[in-house]
Amino acid sequence: ETGVTQTPRHLVMGMTNKKSLKCEQHLGHNAMYWYKQSAKKPLELMFVYNFKEQTENNSVPSRFSPECPNSSHLFLHLHTLQPEDSALYLCASSLAIAGTLKTQYFGPGTRLLVL
Amino acid sequence: AQKVTQAQTEISVVEKEDVTLDCVYETRDTTYYLFWYKQPPSGELVFLIRRNSFDEQNEISGRYSWNFQKSTSSFNFTITASQVVDSAVYFCALSEAGRGSTLGRLYFGRGTQLTVWP
Repeated sequence: ETGVTQTPRHLVMGMTNKKSLKCEQHLGHNAMYWYKQSAKKPLELMFVYNFKEQTENNSVPSRFSPECPNSSHLFLHLHTLQPEDSALYLCASSLAIAGTLKTQYFGPGTRLLVL
Repeated sequence: AQKVTQAQTEISVVEKEDVTLDCVYETRDTTYYLFWYKQPPSGELVFLIRRNSFDEQNEISGRYSWNFQKSTSSFNFTITASQVVDSAVYFCALSEAGRGSTLGRLYFGRGTQLTVWP
């Protein structure tokens, strides 16, 4: 398997459920990202992990909880979500070398519907 | 203020027409990077190109070409002889390398939905 993979591809959950989104990258990258893409809104950066350390939390509500156990895996744990959290959640990865930006590569996304 | 503006929300063309997608950006950094991504209906953002602020040479890759003009802060994308498979949402993005984070946060435009009719 190559590139960035995400599971599940589609998820329907109730507001009281707990679920997790998984992202895995096979590119040898050391930085991973979560983005949210809602209808008619720009892509929103949620979290950034650099060498497993969270380096950015873009004012994301606590009902979204990220976890990065290693540089290849990234999770987004979801609990007590709201209907407005329904969106496409995209994972990305890149190389991160101090002072040097590398291109982010994206996974196919998880389309989430909160009822 | 939005850092990346894609004024065209939707464009429709007929196959074999040329089409240009506009992108205007705003930054005070002297070192920055510009990107184009394609998002087909499947949802995945596909990387197309990255340019740094010091390289204003236009680039051509097959039917795709990019026109970077610092004087107008624009990074436009042209598809020549469009095909149905080009139908997708195209995003322009900016990263300012001089900011605090070494990762260079990506600022995306709102995207342009391109529909190519047979």
